[in-house]
Amino acid sequence: DAGVTQSPTHLIKTRGQQVTLRCSPKSGHDTVSWYQQALGQGPQFIFQYYEEEERQRGNFPDRFSGHQFPNYSSELNVNALLLGDSALYLCASSLDGPGQVNTEAFFGQGTRLTVV
Amino acid sequence: RKEVEQDPGPFNVPEGATVAFNCTYSNSASQSFFWYRQDCRKEPKLLMSVYSSGNEDGRFTAQLNRASQYISLLIRDSKLSDSATYLCVVTLNTGFQKLVFGTGTRLLVSP
Repeated sequence: DAGVTQSPTHLIKTRGQQVTLRCSPKSGHDTVSWYQQALGQGPQFIFQYYEEEERQRGNFPDRFSGHQFPNYSSELNVNALLLGDSALYLCASSLDGPGQVNTEAFFGQGTRLTVV
Repeated sequence: RKEVEQDPGPFNVPEGATVAFNCTYSNSASQSFFWYRQDCRKEPKLLMSVYSSGNEDGRFTAQLNRASQYISLLIRDSKLSDSATYLCVVTLNTGFQKLVFGTGTRLLVSP
């Protein structure tokens, strides 16, 4: 079992550009959540995808969008990058369908995004 | 006020010491509670869940006080390998697995 995999591991972008980050969940998991972790801070919830729909969103602007595919993998897109978007972006997968309660979330190794 | 508050540390302790971390949460509707461990430049990993009755896993003991909205983690006989950031995490009773993290407490165990 490969666990949660994210790509790329590191990325450098220029202000104003757009970026797409990718996540493959742990085998058997149906839910993907994205988190942003700035240096020295705890991860902050961006949004969560289940059954290809965004079902919960944190306090992030519309520049942050996502998608979930039929195979449960997910993408995070950030438009019009700002210097403050520089952070570690973490993907977490879990099994949160009907009947599942607070199952363990497994994190990928993250994508470290630097905006210059 | 932050939803989950922790002392960022760092806590510098010698090997073999006992160290305790505390965490408070603001939302009384919080449903589940966890401690995660995060090594430098790595992803968070679940250390243990926290229950009102208290739970122990080897050298680690976690405790939850719902009345005070307070969570603790005790590490006995600290090892060099315990050096990491310990994240206090809660979930709300929303039916969805949304993790709310504290800032984390950094622990440095020295020889």
